[in-house]
Amino acid sequence: SYELTQPPSVSVSPGQTARITCSGDALPKQYAYWYQQKPGQAPVLVIYKDSERPSGIPERFSGSSSGTTVTLTISGVQAEDEADYYCQSADSSGTYWVFGGGTKLTFI
Amino acid sequence: QVQLQESGPGLVKPSETLSLTCTVSGGSISSYYWSWIRQPAGKGLEWIGRIYTSGSTNYNPSLKSRVTMSVDTSKNQFSLKLSSVTAADTAVYYCARAIFLEGYYYGMDVWGQGTTVTVSS
Repeated sequence: SYELTQPPSVSVSPGQTARITCSGDALPKQYAYWYQQKPGQAPVLVIYKDSERPSGIPERFSGSSSGTTVTLTISGVQAEDEADYYCQSADSSGTYWVFGGGTKLTFI
Repeated sequence: QVQLQESGPGLVKPSETLSLTCTVSGGSISSYYWSWIRQPAGKGLEWIGRIYTSGSTNYNPSLKSRVTMSVDTSKNQFSLKLSSVTAADTAVYYCARAIFLEGYYYGMDVWGQGTTVTVSS
């Protein structure tokens, strides 16, 4: 079955830039989506189609894609950004969706 | 503003069928894809499947033999059934709206708050 690979954790100092990667063989062909999940809450879509930002999501959230890796970048990380982040995409056929294992963003 | 609310038994016995319903309020269920996602305690998200308002479905291959989704447009609801459950199916279950426009998927933009289902005798 298709898998997306994320680092379990990323640590950053407040105000710095956090980069969270997600790797998968079908990513050159399929868009990636990023969700933020805070404890006890439902996930929130923060990036769609690799790099588009939904309305209401701060500009400090951005996404990029290069080959089999997509990256969520949070510039000037704020305390409220401490959360779990999940990438989501589809297999090469586009039929089946899959989530990455999630990355916990924590402050140093 | 569209809101989703999951409902169903919080406790299901092993080998029985888990049944959940998601009620859509503040908007129409028509012309959207609707998805179920689950999350065991302390673990990551797992996509279960999606259904279009026409009734067309796609299921996670790892769960396909046990999953059935349906939609009731008259009630603005869609449902999940997961058969032959075991303790491994214990999780928070979320419903979500998936946006497709002009052939492109735009992500799951609205989520329910989630409902905890425990499989135990």
